[in-house]
Order: sequence, then C-alpha cells, then structure tokens
Amino acid sequence: TQLLEQSPQFLSIQEGENLTVYCNSSSVFSSLQWYRQEPGEGPVLLVTVVTGGEVKKLKRLTFQFGDARKDSSLHITAAQPGDTGLYLCAGAQSSSNTGKLIFGQGTTLQVKP
Amino acid sequence: NAGVTQTPKFQVLKTGQSMTLQCAQDMNHNSMYWYRQDPGMGLRLIYYSASEGTTDKGEVPNGYNVSRLNKREFSLRLESAAPSQTSVYFCASSEALWDSYEQYFGPGTRLTVT
Repeated sequence: TQLLEQSPQFLSIQEGENLTVYCNSSSVFSSLQWYRQEPGEGPVLLVTVVTGGEVKKLKRLTFQFGDARKDSSLHITAAQPGDTGLYLCAGAQSSSNTGKLIFGQGTTLQVKP
Repeated sequence: NAGVTQTPKFQVLKTGQSMTLQCAQDMNHNSMYWYRQDPGMGLRLIYYSASEGTTDKGEVPNGYNVSRLNKREFSLRLESAAPSQTSVYFCASSEALWDSYEQYFGPGTRLTVT
C-alpha cells in the first residue's frame, strides 16, 4: 500500500509569515495533486505536478514535485487569512492508470490577522 | 451548472439501519468515486466507477455497496450501518480514469451512526 505522509498536521501562523507543507512517501507516484478544502465543502484542486523536479506557481503558492517523484512541497509566501483551510496532497498510483488517488492526512492551516 | 451534488447533507442512523447516499454530476464525466473522510486520515477511497456499468473496490469497501445507475448518478449504500461508519462521505467525478485529471468533489454527507 502506498502511503503519503503530510507534515505538519496543524499550523497556526500570523498574517504575512511564510510556510511550507511537506508530502512524503517511499513510493513513486506518476503525478501528485494538491487540494484545498474549506469547512463544510469538498476539496478543490489547486495544482497537478507530473514531472520530477517540476515547480509550479499559483500567485503566492509554489508547488514542487521531487526529482524522484516520491515527495512534494507547498510553499506559501506572505500568508493571508484567506489561505486558512485544509490542504491535502494526493498521489496517483504509478502502477496503472486507474484514476485512484492516495491522499495524505491533510494539513490544517490557520492564518491569524 | 451544479457540478457534483450529494444528498442528503446530514443523516443520523441507528446501528443496523440501512440508507443510500445519492450523488449526481452534470459535467458528463466518465469516472466517479466515493470517499470517506475521517479526522487525521485524509480521504480514503471506498469504491469507484471508471465508466457507466462498471464499479471497483477501493481501499475501504467493506460494509458498502455501490450502483452506477447511469452516467450521471453513482449511489453508495450502507446495508447495516455500524458506528465505525460515522464519517463524512464525498462523491467525486473526473473526466477520465487517468491520474492527471482533476477530481471534482461534492459538498459531502455527514453521517452519524449511533
């Protein structure tokens, strides 16, 4: 069974601070997605990374896929209260194109004004 | 364009009762999924359907059954609810059964089994 370990599980910071969330596995994934979930709603896709070493930027969010495609990180610059939410990484199984995703446990981010 | 809709939003069951969670998508997606979300455990796949007429087990299928009624609808049934099935259930859909395709999620059903 492929597992994705996300860290930290909880993060409470002040507005304007930077932060990084990590998603690690001993298994190789063919692609990795990052979702954001707000209370009472379903997750919404932020980004998909498919190439080892790939870096994608979405405004103040920077996503990186590890060279070996076993890990990923999400970096937020100058966090804002609107960034508050649950961040989930999800890896696609590399053995076959089944569409099944393995989710990390999630990182709950609270940004205080 | 509603995306993915789920009913009901909340449900309380007694142990042993049965119920069906309904899910529908209006994006003409081929693939649909059922997940459960528990604190500290992320989302775990219960069942998925690659296309109309096919269903397959996910990571935690025990105690559940599914039906892909047509391309739009994918239901999840609990035949005899247990307290361990207390969770938030999410339905999702995607254009195809490929790992780089975005999954679109519904708002969830919050189920409590007493």
